Amino acid sequence: SQKIEQNSEALNIQEGKTATLTCNYTNYSPAYLQWYRQDPGRGPVFLLLIRENEKEKRKERLKVTFDTTLKQSLFHITASQPADSATYLCALVGNTGKLIFGQGTTLQVKP
Amino acid sequence: EADIYQTPRYLVIGTGKKITLECSQTMGHDKMYWYQQDPGMELHLIHYSYGVNSTEKGDLSSESTVSRIRTEHFPLTLESARPSHTSQYLCASSDDSQVSYEQYFGPGTRLTVT
Repeated sequence: SQKIEQNSEALNIQEGKTATLTCNYTNYSPAYLQWYRQDPGRGPVFLLLIRENEKEKRKERLKVTFDTTLKQSLFHITASQPADSATYLCALVGNTGKLIFGQGTTLQVKP
Repeated sequence: EADIYQTPRYLVIGTGKKITLECSQTMGHDKMYWYQQDPGMELHLIHYSYGVNSTEKGDLSSESTVSRIRTEHFPLTLESARPSHTSQYLCASSDDSQVSYEQYFGPGTRLTVT
């Protein structure tokens, strides 16, 4: 069955550093992969989509890579700020637009 | 903020009660979804709809049912609540014309069945 793995342990970093989150998947060949941010008690908020033919995508301080050979996506936040503290979810996009989510990685940025 | 609303935000109810979780969106999206999420776990799709009078079960089996009589409204009903139904329920919608496949989520309903 399809499986998505994100680091289950929380990631703690110092303000100003680059946070790197990992999303690995198996038994699937998605054409698209998305990243969402989820704050406690709230619904996820879309951040970025990357296509299978794109190696890298950037948006402000965010950078996403997509390696279809390794079946892995990396999500980077540069110059991290305490306000970036949240849970970050990756999601594979199926043919019909349905999403398959990972369990998320919690990021804590300390001042 | 996305224009998608869920009520109630929190619900504590006894076993055996019938409940309906409300979800409405004002964006005119055809596609709507219900997810179930336990703490620290992934979102699981339990129902989806591609338009009025269209509903399908998702990947995670659920005893709940849904209806889609109006584009903007996608309620979820549990005929007889059980403690195993305790979870966070998230509603989402998406626009077919968007190439990003972005889903817009409501704030969720946290359900506790005692």
